[in-house]
Amino acid sequence: GENVEQHPSTLSVQEGDSAVIKCTYSDSASNYFPWYKQELGKRPQLIIDIRSNVGEKKDQRIAVTLNKTAKHFSLHITETQPEDSAVYFCAASINTSGTYKYIFGTGTRLKVLA
Amino acid sequence: DTEVTQTPKHLVMGMTNKKSLKCEQHMGHRAMYWYKQKAKKPPELMFVYSYEKLSINESVPSRFSPECPNSSLLNLHLHALQPEDSALYLCASSQVLGTANYGYTFGSGTRLTVV
Repeated sequence: GENVEQHPSTLSVQEGDSAVIKCTYSDSASNYFPWYKQELGKRPQLIIDIRSNVGEKKDQRIAVTLNKTAKHFSLHITETQPEDSAVYFCAASINTSGTYKYIFGTGTRLKVLA
Repeated sequence: DTEVTQTPKHLVMGMTNKKSLKCEQHMGHRAMYWYKQKAKKPPELMFVYSYEKLSINESVPSRFSPECPNSSLLNLHLHALQPEDSALYLCASSQVLGTANYGYTFGSGTRLTVV
């Protein structure tokens, strides 16, 4: 079945350094790739997304890159801050009988050390 | 209003109880979702409603019964649950425009404990 692999499962960086989280998807028909940030005890929040007709998208300190050929997409956070500490989930959309759903990656726990 | 509101925030129920979770959004989104999330795991899809019709049921046990009374409301009726059903239940909504995908807006969730 369809799946999304996400690495690493945990990531610790020093404040100010960059963090990169990588995902690989299996369904070549997937065309939308959102990233969610979930702080402890809170809801997942959409932080950035990318569609399959775009190779890169940036929003301030956050960027996402997509390689459709390799079925890889990655989240890049620059100049990390303690408030970036959270669990990050990638997702890929798949179409099931005309309805879209997301397959989530297993999550990356990011710790930014002050 | 750019939020998805879920009630209650916390729920403790016995295995013989019947309870309902509620979800409401006023963003005009026509797709609504129920997800179950266990600790340190990703959200796991349960149901998808598109234009108030159930379009995906991810083989969820019948002790969970969804309902979409109108385009703004989504309920999840619970009956005869098991302790392993204890989890965070998340509601989400998204736009539906042709074949384009849009990101979800998640509610804050209902933390359910079955005793």
